[in-house]
Amino acid sequence: AQSVAQPEDQVNVAEGNPLTVKCTYSVSGNPYLFWYVQYPNRGLQFLLKYITGDNLVKGSYGFEAEFNKSQTSFHLKKPSALVSDSALYFCAVRDGGNKLVFGAGTILRVKS
Amino acid sequence: DTGVSQDPRHKITKRGQNVTFRCDPISEHNRLYWYRQTLGQGPEFLTYFQNEAQLEKSRLLSDRFSAERPKGSFSTLEIQRTEQGDSAMYLCASSLSGENTIYFGEGSWLTVV
Repeated sequence: AQSVAQPEDQVNVAEGNPLTVKCTYSVSGNPYLFWYVQYPNRGLQFLLKYITGDNLVKGSYGFEAEFNKSQTSFHLKKPSALVSDSALYFCAVRDGGNKLVFGAGTILRVKS
Repeated sequence: DTGVSQDPRHKITKRGQNVTFRCDPISEHNRLYWYRQTLGQGPEFLTYFQNEAQLEKSRLLSDRFSAERPKGSFSTLEIQRTEQGDSAMYLCASSLSGENTIYFGEGSWLTVV
C-alpha cells in the first residue's frame, strides 16, 4: 500500500530563515506526491505536486519541494520563512486508484 | 468564489441523532471525495464518486454512514445514530478526471455530545 511519513510533529524556525518540512514515501511504481497546508479550523489548500519531470517543483506562496528517488523523500522547502507560514502541513501520495493517502502532518511555527 | 462548498460548517448534535452534510464540488468536477479528520491526524479517506457512481468506500465507512451523489453534482453524507467517536471534521474534495490535483472544501465540524 502507498504511504507517506512525516517524521517531525513540529518544526520551529525564525522568520527570514529557510525552512524544511520532511516527507518520505513508500510506493510501488512511480509516486504522485502532494503537499497541502491547513490553517486553524480551515480546509486543506493545495501547495504543489510532483508527477514527473524536474525534481524541483515550485508551488504557491514561494514554497518548493525536492523529489529524491534514491532517498524516497519529498521535502517541502522555502528560502525565507514568514510568520504567516505558520500552519499544519500535510504530505500526501496518490494511491493506485484516485484517492490521496495523507501523512500525520507537521506543525510549522515561524517566530518573529 | 467557485471552490468546493460545504454546509453546515459546524454542527453540534446529541448522541443518537442523525446528521447530514452537503458538499457542492467545483463546477464541472466529476470526481467527489469525502474524508474525515480528527484532531492531530491527517485526513482519512471515506468514499469517492465519479459522477453519480460511488466507486470506492473505506472500511471506516460503517453501516451508519451513507453518501449519495444522485445527479452527479452535489453530494450528501449522512451519519445515523451518531456516536461520540464520530466527532471530527468531515472534508469534501473534488477533482476532474485526467487531472491529479484534488481540491478541498473548508470542512464541516461535527461535535457529538
